[in-house]
Amino acid sequence: GQQVMQIPQYQHVQEGEDFTTYCNSSTTLSNIQWYKQRPGGHPVFLIQLVKSGEVKKQKRLTFQFGEAKKNSSLHITATQTTDVGTYFCAGFRTNDYKLSFGAGTTVTVRA
Amino acid sequence: DVKVTQSSRYLVKRTGEKVFLECVQDMDHENMFWYRQDPGLGLRLIYFSYDVKMKEKGDIPEGYSVSREKKERFSLILESASTNQTSMYLCASSLWGVNTGELFFGEGSRLTVL
Repeated sequence: GQQVMQIPQYQHVQEGEDFTTYCNSSTTLSNIQWYKQRPGGHPVFLIQLVKSGEVKKQKRLTFQFGEAKKNSSLHITATQTTDVGTYFCAGFRTNDYKLSFGAGTTVTVRA
Repeated sequence: DVKVTQSSRYLVKRTGEKVFLECVQDMDHENMFWYRQDPGLGLRLIYFSYDVKMKEKGDIPEGYSVSREKKERFSLILESASTNQTSMYLCASSLWGVNTGELFFGEGSRLTVL
């Protein structure tokens, strides 16, 4: 089964609102990466978090890595139509050295 | 810019056929990966390779094999295609490192097995 769980699967957001997508692993992760896939496109790397409790920002996007290195979140403020797409987290598992993706959160934006 | 090129964007094959999906990267990356992407399941790792002639099973290797004879090329092989292998296949590469860094993906190969 999915070793990295991601919720929600779908997020419908009013333009200008904020939202958060969450990623949880059953095992400790060495690092976690986030990717964005636009409709019809391929996943594109956004960021990597390595340290326990790490927080990184990219403009309106805030990424967090949990203290136990088993969970992560992506928070987007003031959503824009350009934020449409599917956001994937991907955790590098320390027990078998494999990069495991979550199922993704597909974001649609109402103008 | 890193470029990962997948040989076919769309393929239609019949059940039982042998299928080759080719992937080439031009940035001298050591690591290469094959994922399949299905709605609601995200990306699932099929096989990966950290070096030439080296391969490791991912989470769903059954029904697949791979070949890495040259550093820049990583091939996915379906020995006898089945309808449940209808999917989008994504190849990716990254620089060497135990804590695998950024993955660069190809455009994907959408395979339909009839």
